[in-house]
Amino acid sequence: SQQGEEDPQALSIQEGENATMNCSYKTSINNLQWYRQNSGRGLVHLILIRSNEREKHSGRLRVTLDTSKKSSSLLITASRAADTASYFCATEWEYGNKLVFGAGTILRVKS
Amino acid sequence: KAGVTQTPRYLIKTRGQQVTLSCSPISGHRSVSWYQQTPGQGLQFLFEYFSETQRNKGNFPGRFSGRQFSNSRSEMNVSTLELGDSALYLCASSLSFPETQYFGPGTRLLVL
Repeated sequence: SQQGEEDPQALSIQEGENATMNCSYKTSINNLQWYRQNSGRGLVHLILIRSNEREKHSGRLRVTLDTSKKSSSLLITASRAADTASYFCATEWEYGNKLVFGAGTILRVKS
Repeated sequence: KAGVTQTPRYLIKTRGQQVTLSCSPISGHRSVSWYQQTPGQGLQFLFEYFSETQRNKGNFPGRFSGRQFSNSRSEMNVSTLELGDSALYLCASSLSFPETQYFGPGTRLLVL
């Protein structure tokens, strides 16, 4: 089974609103990454947060990591139509050199 | 720098055939990994190569194999194709697997 599970499965918001996606995982990790995918194309790396970090920012993106709850959240502020995409979390297991992806959240930003 | 390129972009095969997909990583990246993406199973890790050696492998049958050349280019082969192999196959390169992966556009394989 997949390591990461995203919540919600789908999210529809108006342009300018904030979007929050959550990711939960099952085992200890070294780091957690977020990726974006537009319409079944290649993935684009957004941000990496290590297990000893609690929060990280990149432009309009804010990622938090709570290792005690085995969860992470991705916040996109002031969303734009161009943010419409699928968003995946990916975890690097602590005891295995492997990258495991969650099922993804489909975000639709309406203009 | 040029991004990760994958060829071909689209492929149609019939059951029982074999297929070879190609991936050219970003210049300087020695790690190349492969993923299968399907609506039912999502994104699944196939394997990772570094300096012509397979270092990591996912849970796929032996029909899925790969190799990496001295210039870091990689190929993935699927033998005896099954209908369930229809998927988007993504290749990614990086300086240090499994950290920040740079993905190619993918090869969409349809098995009839």
